[in-house]
Amino acid sequence: DAKTTQPNSMESNEEEPVHLPCNHSTISGTDYIHWYRQLPSQGPEYVIHGLTSNVNNRMASLAIAEDRKSSTLILHRATLRDAAVYYCILRGPSSGSARQLTFGSGTQLTVLP
Amino acid sequence: DAGVTQSPTHLIKTRGQQVTLRCSPKSGHDTVSWYQQALGQGPQFIFQYYEEEERQRGNFPDRFSGHQFPNYSSELNVNALLLGDSALYLCASSVTTGMHNEQFFGPGTRLTVL
Repeated sequence: DAKTTQPNSMESNEEEPVHLPCNHSTISGTDYIHWYRQLPSQGPEYVIHGLTSNVNNRMASLAIAEDRKSSTLILHRATLRDAAVYYCILRGPSSGSARQLTFGSGTQLTVLP
Repeated sequence: DAGVTQSPTHLIKTRGQQVTLRCSPKSGHDTVSWYQQALGQGPQFIFQYYEEEERQRGNFPDRFSGHQFPNYSSELNVNALLLGDSALYLCASSVTTGMHNEQFFGPGTRLTVL
């Protein structure tokens, strides 16, 4: 199964942009890249997903490398509420099934006031 | 919209006992997935239910079983509890149309096995 690699932790200052990296060098051509985050004492929540092109939504942007072996989740202005564990997830043949979410250990983002 | 709800919030059991956890999906959702999250780790997929049948299963023993009701709500049952079953159990709901639909998670049930 394809794996994702993320840094264990990152820090950011409030109101500054945050770039959260994810490596997925064995991604298959039909795997989608999903990002979820888990705030303290809550269940995970969806952030964004994409296949090849960069994607934007109200929460974040997803930048996907041309060879698709890496991606970056961009929070344009971090707030204290963005402090969470961020998970980069592949959905598709490499993860066994697109129906399930295969979580790794994620990146713990700390936002400093 | 109440979102995904789970009950109970917390539960304490002893080894060898059986437990049932409950989940009500978000309105309009027909698919329910269950995940186990051990302390300090990411959630691990247990199984997914659609049309009252188990559609996909992760790497969990048969002690873990489930059920989905006609109103799409779901139960997770764990028999012969082990200390290692202590974890946060998360329920997620989604609509089955489209393989990459967002999964909406509930707050979880914290199970402690003594």
